[in-house]
Amino acid sequence: RKEVEQDPGPFNVPEGATVAFNCTYSNSASQSFFWYRQDCRKEPKLLMSVYSSGNEDGRFTAQLNRASQYISLLIRDSKLSDSATYLCVVIGVSEGGFKTIFGAGTRLFVKA
Amino acid sequence: DAMVIQNPRYQVTQFGKPVTLSCSQTLNHNVMYWYQQKSSQAPKLLFHYYDKDFNNEADTPDNFQSRRPNTSFCFLDIRSPGLGDAAMYLCATSPFSGRATDTQYFGPGTRLTVL
Repeated sequence: RKEVEQDPGPFNVPEGATVAFNCTYSNSASQSFFWYRQDCRKEPKLLMSVYSSGNEDGRFTAQLNRASQYISLLIRDSKLSDSATYLCVVIGVSEGGFKTIFGAGTRLFVKA
Repeated sequence: DAMVIQNPRYQVTQFGKPVTLSCSQTLNHNVMYWYQQKSSQAPKLLFHYYDKDFNNEADTPDNFQSRRPNTSFCFLDIRSPGLGDAAMYLCATSPFSGRATDTQYFGPGTRLTVL
């Protein structure tokens, strides 16, 4: 089992749709969680951090469920510009400090 | 603007010919990371530095080495590139506050081609 697993993509949705991604992690001691966005042939960029209480940034809502060991990302009112790969990132403790693990990403295509 | 810079953006090398990729940052972050990302795959952490302390991931091949001469610069050396090393190499930095919540900031990456 991979340490971080994401929904297989791609997701093809029309503009204005609501879409949700899930990400599961295997290490119950994981400490921090993030969603990054990566455009084609570009570097990952932080979209938002994920907290147990949930957090919202405009059309984006992220949620953490520690008991079930998954995080989610909800995108409302999808825009064409939301088309990208969304990477789940989990940080846990390792011998050298903290260990960062990326999921393989979920690709989103938003169509006009 | 403060940023993470990687040079070159595109690098072509021959099979077995050593290559060095560079990363510099103006963020004054004391943690720097090197990732390898192959097409349609997750970025894979190769190693990272907390200041001068080097931390190698257990599954990083010996073919990959790194140097950090000062806070601002970090280099990735591939001693004998193989065809399987063709990938995007991403450098990232983060401030070390001792918390796992530190955000990582990525450079634009260097795309390595091995002929």
